[in-house]
Amino acid sequence: RKEVEQDPGPFNVPEGATVAFNCTYSNSASQSFFWYRQDCRKEPKLLMSVYSSGNEDGRFTAQLNRASQYISLLIRDSKLSDSATYLCVVIPLPAYDMRFGAGTRLTVKP
Amino acid sequence: DVKVTQSSRYLVKRTGEKVFLECVQDMDHENMFWYRQDPGLGLRLIYFSYDVKMKEKGDIPEGYSVSREKKERFSLILESASTNQTSMYLCASSLPITAGTSPQHFGDGTRLSIL
Repeated sequence: RKEVEQDPGPFNVPEGATVAFNCTYSNSASQSFFWYRQDCRKEPKLLMSVYSSGNEDGRFTAQLNRASQYISLLIRDSKLSDSATYLCVVIPLPAYDMRFGAGTRLTVKP
Repeated sequence: DVKVTQSSRYLVKRTGEKVFLECVQDMDHENMFWYRQDPGLGLRLIYFSYDVKMKEKGDIPEGYSVSREKKERFSLILESASTNQTSMYLCASSLPITAGTSPQHFGDGTRLSIL
């Protein structure tokens, strides 16, 4: 079983739609969680951290469920510019490195 | 803003060549990482370093080595390049885990082709 698993998609949604991605992780000792965004042929960029209580940044909401070992990302009012691959990232302590999901591809269409 | 700079965006080399990929960060980060990214496989960790002259193998170290002589620079070396090492290579840096949540910051990537 992979350490971090995501539905690869693709998710094709119209502008203005709400879309949600889930990600599961296998190491119950994991402490830190992030969502990264990666545009085609570009490097991954940090989108947001994921906190235990859940957190929101504008149209983006991230949630963590430790009991079920999954994190989620909700995007409201999708924009064309949201089209990208979204990477779920987990830091499994004790470790220095991040564990990446393979990414979920989102395409927002007019 | 953190700046992670990789020496080349695109590189073409021949089978058997020794290849050096350089990465420099300007934020005094202790941790540095080398990944490769392939379609359908996501990012896979090759090597990482948590201090000068320290290195740890990641998931796929075979065929690679690294060098960290200075804190700001982390080099990836392909000892004898092979066609299956054609990939996108990404360097990243971060603060230590003890600094709290410490996301990694990535360079632009080097798209390496081995012919």
